[in-house]
Amino acid sequence: EVQLVESGGDLVQPGGSLRLSCAASGFTFSNYWMHWVRQAPGKGLVWVSRINTDGSRTTYADSVKGRLTISRDNAKNTLYLQMNSLRVEDTAVYYCARVKSGSDEWRDPWGQGTLVTVSS
Amino acid sequence: QTVVTQEPSLTVSPGGTVTLTCASSTGAVTSGFYPHWFQQKPGQPPRALIYSTSNKHSWTPARFSGSLLGGKAALTLSGVQPEDEADYYCLLYYGGAWVFGGGTKLTVL
Repeated sequence: EVQLVESGGDLVQPGGSLRLSCAASGFTFSNYWMHWVRQAPGKGLVWVSRINTDGSRTTYADSVKGRLTISRDNAKNTLYLQMNSLRVEDTAVYYCARVKSGSDEWRDPWGQGTLVTVSS
Repeated sequence: QTVVTQEPSLTVSPGGTVTLTCASSTGAVTSGFYPHWFQQKPGQPPRALIYSTSNKHSWTPARFSGSLLGGKAALTLSGVQPEDEADYYCLLYYGGAWVFGGGTKLTVL
């Protein structure tokens, strides 16, 4: 069974840091590009970042460039999102999602997400 | 900044047909944007419905179809069921980055 399980969300003060994890199982993790998507409470989905299969290529939304860093450990089947200089507007549920290498097909299932709250 | 625009809300009667659209601020949406469509119900993560404009996943009900319509990506629901009430998001590819639309809240009434 394919599973993506996000963790690491917490309450953090503005300017603080946090590292999110996404543990993958049930598929060959290293064959997939991985993405982070976030959703502020009551709002829509926002694409955040993506990383290629071996971690050598990353892309970010303009709103997070220079503050958030995506990475992966294929030996541990885990995706990460290092979040620095956090802002109130980063408050959201963060989801990880997968796309098979060589295709554009975003696959189900997504994880249940992890909640990041940035507040003083 | 690229903006992807969807209808904020639509209402359809059970058994009816409704089309949701997805427009890009950069111009016409083509197959090169690899349009995707997702369904999200309250308290749940999104679920993929359509990829690459019109391709369905194995779990996508036959009543859902994707297309390009008048320079936009479109999702058509034919024979709407009460369980189709949800938020629907399109997703477009911009040569490296992806951008979601703002979502359409579909009410079945």
